[in-house]
Amino acid sequence: SYVLTQPPSVSVAPGHTARIFCGGHEIGNKSVHWYQQKPGQAPVLVLYDDSDRPSGIPERFSGSKSGNTATLTISRVEAGDEADFYCQLWNNNSDPHVVFGGGTKLTVL
Amino acid sequence: QLHLQESGPGLVKPSETLSLTCNVSRDSITSSSYYWGWIRQPPGKGLEWIGAISYPGTTYYNPSLKSRVTISVDTSKNHFSLRLNSVTAADTAVYYCARHLLTAYYLPSWFDPWGQGTLVTVSS
Repeated sequence: SYVLTQPPSVSVAPGHTARIFCGGHEIGNKSVHWYQQKPGQAPVLVLYDDSDRPSGIPERFSGSKSGNTATLTISRVEAGDEADFYCQLWNNNSDPHVVFGGGTKLTVL
Repeated sequence: QLHLQESGPGLVKPSETLSLTCNVSRDSITSSSYYWGWIRQPPGKGLEWIGAISYPGTTYYNPSLKSRVTISVDTSKNHFSLRLNSVTAADTAVYYCARHLLTAYYLPSWFDPWGQGTLVTVSS
């Protein structure tokens, strides 16, 4: 089955840039979506279709893809950005289904 | 603004059936623009997709759960439901419902918004 691989954790100092990677086979051919989940809360969509931001998501959140990796970039990181981040896509193979990455814990130092 | 709310028993016995409902407010569940999905999260772990449904009844299920899962829509109550059979302790999780947006090819894509989630514990 299709697998999305994320690093378990990323640490960054306030004001710096955080990059969270999501790797998957031929991910360039698929649309990747990203969610932020703070403790005790439901996930919130922060990017869809690789790099589009929903209304209300700061411009500091951006997305890109290269090769077999999608990247969520958070510029000028703030303490309030600390959360778990998940990538997700729709795998349209012979048995279509949603795939989530394992999640990355972003720690703001 | 669309609001989703999960409801159902918080405790289910092993081997029994887990049943949850997601009430949809301020949008119609019969809209052809969306699917409606279920996702779960075991305590301290990541997200796992369970399945999705669109009106009038096209469904997609997680291949690893397909044999035990049924998702259905009740248009009279504007809600959709999840049934998971033969549960074990491994099914203990926070269960979320979410609206599942469509791509230009009418396939499920991203989830927005999500319900607040409900914890279901499987224990005797």
